[in-house]
Amino acid sequence: AQKITQTQPGMFVQEKEAVTLDCTYDTSDPSYGLFWYKQPSSGEMIFLIYQGSYDQQNATEGRYSLNFQKARKSANLVISASQLGDSAMYFCAMRPSGTYKYIFGTGTRLKVLA
Amino acid sequence: KAGVTQTPRYLIKTRGQQVTLSCSPISGHRSVSWYQQTPGQGLQFLFEYFSETQRNKGNFPGRFSGRQFSNSRSEMNVSTLELGDSALYLCASSLEEGAIYEQYFGPGTRLTVT
Repeated sequence: AQKITQTQPGMFVQEKEAVTLDCTYDTSDPSYGLFWYKQPSSGEMIFLIYQGSYDQQNATEGRYSLNFQKARKSANLVISASQLGDSAMYFCAMRPSGTYKYIFGTGTRLKVLA
Repeated sequence: KAGVTQTPRYLIKTRGQQVTLSCSPISGHRSVSWYQQTPGQGLQFLFEYFSETQRNKGNFPGRFSGRQFSNSRSEMNVSTLELGDSALYLCASSLEEGAIYEQYFGPGTRLTVT
């Protein structure tokens, strides 16, 4: 079964510190995309970063990087230099190739402390 | 470029009624997906449309239906509302070109069924 698992329901991090949000996935498809989204309290989902299953290098977007370990089926999000505005729910998602369907994890609530 | 818009933003309905939610994707995006988000179930995929064709459907009863128009705008309909249908309904659009299919989400419609 295709599934995304986020085992950390909540996380705290001190402002300016780095934090890693865990994500593991399960799929038998050889080709898939992995995504991270941020959902602030306002409710709107914001796309953060993408990693393709055949990408050799880990994706980076500003302060966001994705630690992709294909053999372990993990796609952890690393946020460097946390800011108060990073406090939000973070969702990991997967889209197996050719399915036109995104599978989301249950999310991790991150709280950045001043 | 304008983002994904959803109307209405808030809705209160009574059990047994039906409701129609609307989504206008980002200009040029032809794929529209719908999700139901609840605290207990997280984000659940409802269906995806591309060029007026439903390409994938989630595990929801037939009371949930959707359609897409030639201008890519999409509507979803829920008939015979139940209390459990209370949720945030999110619409997302994507370009579906190239290798990256990140979705851009609208602000959602919060439906309350009483």
